[in-house]
Amino acid sequence: ELKVEQNPLFLSMQEGKNYTIYCNYSTTSDRLYWYRQDPGKSLESLFVLLSNGAVKQEGRLMASLDTKARLSTLHITAAVHDLSATYFCAVIRGGQFYFGTGTSLTVIP
Amino acid sequence: EAGVAQSPRYKIIEKRQSVAFWCNPISGHATLYWYQQILGQGPKLLIQFQNNGVVDDSQLPKDRFSAERLKGVDSTLKIQPAKLEDSAVYLCASSWGGGLNTEAFFGQGTRLTVV
Repeated sequence: ELKVEQNPLFLSMQEGKNYTIYCNYSTTSDRLYWYRQDPGKSLESLFVLLSNGAVKQEGRLMASLDTKARLSTLHITAAVHDLSATYFCAVIRGGQFYFGTGTSLTVIP
Repeated sequence: EAGVAQSPRYKIIEKRQSVAFWCNPISGHATLYWYQQILGQGPKLLIQFQNNGVVDDSQLPKDRFSAERLKGVDSTLKIQPAKLEDSAVYLCASSWGGGLNTEAFFGQGTRLTVV
């Protein structure tokens, strides 16, 4: 069974600070996704990482993938309140998505 | 491009009652997924369709849950009878169905409360 683990589960950070969320998965996967979920809302796709060493950036968020280590990171630069949400990573294998436990991020002014 | 549509948005039922959810995927998407998201957890796949065929339903509690996608477009998920532990958000997602850039797009979800 493919397992996807994220840490931390909860993250409270001050505006302007940097932090990294980690996503580990247990077996090989075709690709990795990062999603954002606001309270009461659905999941919004942030990044799709297709290969080892892939790095993608959008605004204050940057995602990377190390397939050898089975690790993806989501780095937050100079956090702002609008980034407060729950972030999920997901891997795909055999056409099926496996989601991590989620990281609940709160950015404090 | 219209997104994945789900209805209803909210549903409250008593245990042992039945309930049905509806999903209309993005036009042209061959793959449709139903996920269950319990509060504080990541989504868990219940069933995956490719057109009108079932690809994976290994985590669907078949004694009480059923799903269909008869014409390969919209889909319904039914729970009968509901239990308290079925309280969750039920998310429908769709994707083109394959290839390197497969990406799942999610609907708003149906929040089910069983009392």
